[in-house]
Amino acid sequence: AQKVTQAQTEISVVEKEDVTLDCVYETRDTTYYLFWYKQPPSGELVFLIRRNSFDEQNEISGRYSWNFQKSTSSFNFTITASQVVDSAVYFCALMAQGGSEKLVFGKGTKLTVNP
Amino acid sequence: GAGVSQSPSNKVTEKGKDVELRCDPISGHTALYWYRQSLGQGLEFLIYFQGNSAPDKSGLPSDRFSAERTGGSVSTLTIQRTQQEDSAVYLCASSFGGGRSYNEQFFGPGTRLTVL
Repeated sequence: AQKVTQAQTEISVVEKEDVTLDCVYETRDTTYYLFWYKQPPSGELVFLIRRNSFDEQNEISGRYSWNFQKSTSSFNFTITASQVVDSAVYFCALMAQGGSEKLVFGKGTKLTVNP
Repeated sequence: GAGVSQSPSNKVTEKGKDVELRCDPISGHTALYWYRQSLGQGLEFLIYFQGNSAPDKSGLPSDRFSAERTGGSVSTLTIQRTQQEDSAVYLCASSFGGGRSYNEQFFGPGTRLTVL
């Protein structure tokens, strides 16, 4: 069975603070893909990043960075110098190679960035 | 290019009625997915279509739910004899799929279903 856990239900920060969103996953598959999606107040899910299980290199994109550690089954997401526009619900998701191409989502973390 | 479109954006219905939700995927995408987002259950997979292969229906919560995809493009999700617990936002997504499961899924704006 596959499972994604986002233990932080809600996080509130002040603008310019750094914030890390945690994601822990479970799967028995050796090949899998991890994703982060953003859901702003408008409601539409926006793709942020995908990672495959063979690539543990961390990635940075502007103020966003992702830390993938297979040893702890974690795929954490950090926003540096947060901005009000970062306020959204963020979902971590898992797709295993062996089964259907469905995404298994975590419950999401609601991030509020206050001015 | 156009993204995934869904209609209607909002649907209010009475308990016991049937509803149909429509999804128009991105042109060229062979894979189409339906998910449901509700407060209690989060984002749940419902069904997946890939080309002409038999769909993966493993996420459908009951036999009141069905979906079809005509001509490898537009999909319709049908809920028969709606119940109040069916109230949720129904999201459609599409991707290139076809074994390239690393491709991201692009989501539509969703249909908010309210069952009174």
